Amino acid sequence: NAGVMQNPRHLVRRRGQEARLRCSPMKGHSHVYWYRQLPEEGLKFMVYLQKENIIDESGMPKERFSAEFPKEGPSILRIQQVVRGDSAAYFCASSPAGAPYEQYFGPGTRLTVT
Amino acid sequence: KQEVTQIPAALSVPEGENLVLNCSFTDSAIYNLQWFRQDPGKGLTSLLLIQSSQREQTSGRLNASLDKSSGRSTLYIAASQPGDSATYLCAVRGGKLIFGQGTELSVKP
Repeated sequence: NAGVMQNPRHLVRRRGQEARLRCSPMKGHSHVYWYRQLPEEGLKFMVYLQKENIIDESGMPKERFSAEFPKEGPSILRIQQVVRGDSAAYFCASSPAGAPYEQYFGPGTRLTVT
Repeated sequence: KQEVTQIPAALSVPEGENLVLNCSFTDSAIYNLQWFRQDPGKGLTSLLLIQSSQREQTSGRLNASLDKSSGRSTLYIAASQPGDSATYLCAVRGGKLIFGQGTELSVKP
């Protein structure tokens, strides 16, 4: 059973470009969580999604950031018009329905904005 | 607002030493507390999860305690090994997971 997969592992974007980060949850998991780890800071919750639904987006910046988890395919975290301050490691976790404490984390995508 | 603090930020010990990592949180209304390990360039691995009704959990050389009333948890690592070198993160769950900034542990051979 493959774990949580994230791609790409490393992503370099120039200021103003769009970044798309993908997360494939573990088999059988229907809940996805995104976290961001800024340099010298801890992991911070961004958004919690179920298939086709955003459950909690209280940690998402109000502008330029969006997330989706379609019925088919991976969850996508999209950052439009990236700025240098978006450079961070973005982690995805997944959990089975009804067990949000059983979050399994992916290896992360390290975004660098130049 | 829940805040999680981990002390020390970094720790270097010789192999074989027993050590304690500390975690404190400001709001005692939590469902559980979890300790993770993060290796450079890798994701997080869950080590121990303590439910709010529990006082401690053990796994191998690791023992985690929870004192909800005082807002504290400790992770005890016995007979440390170089392979234990990593960043250790504490996280509490109220609604969502709130992480501390971690303790970077280095175990020297």
